[in-house]
Amino acid sequence: AQKVTQAQTEISVVEKEDVTLDCVYETRDTTYYLFWYKQPPSGELVFLIRRNSFDEQNEISGRYSWNFQKSTSSFNFTITASQVVDSAVYFCKLAGNNRKLIWGLGTSLAVNP
Amino acid sequence: NAGVTQTPKFQVLKTGQSMTLQCAQDMNHNSMYWYRQDPGMGLRLIYYSASEGTTDKGEVPNGYNVSRLNKREFSLRLESAAPSQTSVYFCASSEIPGQSNQPQHFGDGTRLSIL
Repeated sequence: AQKVTQAQTEISVVEKEDVTLDCVYETRDTTYYLFWYKQPPSGELVFLIRRNSFDEQNEISGRYSWNFQKSTSSFNFTITASQVVDSAVYFCKLAGNNRKLIWGLGTSLAVNP
Repeated sequence: NAGVTQTPKFQVLKTGQSMTLQCAQDMNHNSMYWYRQDPGMGLRLIYYSASEGTTDKGEVPNGYNVSRLNKREFSLRLESAAPSQTSVYFCASSEIPGQSNQPQHFGDGTRLSIL
């Protein structure tokens, strides 16, 4: 069975703190893709990153970084020096060989001034 | 720069009424999706259309029907609305048919309340 677990339901930090959002997945597929999406208070979901199972290199985009580790089946997302505009719900998603898309339940991040 | 457009943005219905949620994308994407989002339950797939002319059920299709009118448009119909269908509905699209590895692009959502 395929599964995505975002164990942190809600996180609250103070501006400028670093914060890591966890995503743990389960799949038996050898080829799969992992995604992160952001849903700000305005409601729309925005695609952030896609990673395939053969590429374990970490990725950095400005204050955002992603750590993909197959050994622990994790694809964690770190925001460095968080800002109020980072307040959102963040979703992790798994896409495997069977074309099913498995979404995590999301982590609600509140960044307080 | 429209992307995925959903109408209406808000709607209140009485139990038993019917309505159609509209979705259109201008990115020439092949695949389109309808999700519902409820507190604590994440995103659940209602129906999807891998390409023009095809539709398939997702996790929670009961009480809904869909029409892939053309490549651009994918509508979701509630024939007889029930309070359990109170939710936020999202339409999404992705570029390549049958390829789940593609990023999805989402509309702004429709907030639907059934009284």
